[in-house]
Amino acid sequence: GAVVSQHPSRVICKSGTSVKIECRSLDFQATTMFWYRQFPKQSLMLMATSNEGSKATYEQGVEKDKFLINHASLTLSTLTVTSAHPEDSSFYICSAHVAGLASEQYFGPGTRLTVT
Amino acid sequence: GENVEQHPSTLSVQEGDSAVIKCTYSDSASNYFPWYKQELGKGPQLIIDIRSNVGEKKDQRIAVTLNKTAKHFSLHITETQPEDSAVYFCAASIGNTGNQFYFGTGTSLTVIP
Repeated sequence: GAVVSQHPSRVICKSGTSVKIECRSLDFQATTMFWYRQFPKQSLMLMATSNEGSKATYEQGVEKDKFLINHASLTLSTLTVTSAHPEDSSFYICSAHVAGLASEQYFGPGTRLTVT
Repeated sequence: GENVEQHPSTLSVQEGDSAVIKCTYSDSASNYFPWYKQELGKGPQLIIDIRSNVGEKKDQRIAVTLNKTAKHFSLHITETQPEDSAVYFCAASIGNTGNQFYFGTGTSLTVIP
């Protein structure tokens, strides 16, 4: 149980285009999902907290108009990187908090974004 | 806010030996401490966790200890195997429902066959 999927696993896009990343909880409901960004050999950096049915809470320094987050259902959150630039190239990982199960978060496999 | 420090940043051990990774946290309100294993190009996997009402937890070759007074917790891996090679992250969390995790900086563990 507690499986989180992400799609796509890898994506290459051109500068100026937008790309959407999906995060799904496959066998549980997730009232809260988190989006992280990870640079090579570094720790996970929290970008935003996404609660089902409400606006996401963004961490300081993260542009909410550039990184659009939608959490439309208890099993799906999406991150859209708008007007992508090469510096947006990174590993994006989501995690989901298991509703009713105190504290645990389960991570997706990550999405490697490369902006050319 | 919470600050989590993790040491060492890299660790090499011979197969069969034990590995210990240590983390400290700053906020005494933190009450949940998970450990994650991340293999190259993959997302972190929860391997063990401990809550503040427990001092030690063990799952086969993996154990975690927590010292609330000193605000530190450690991951112990015994009888290490090459497949244990990965990056390990500790984290601390305050509260019970969906609160954010504060991650350590990671430890790259290499088990030498």
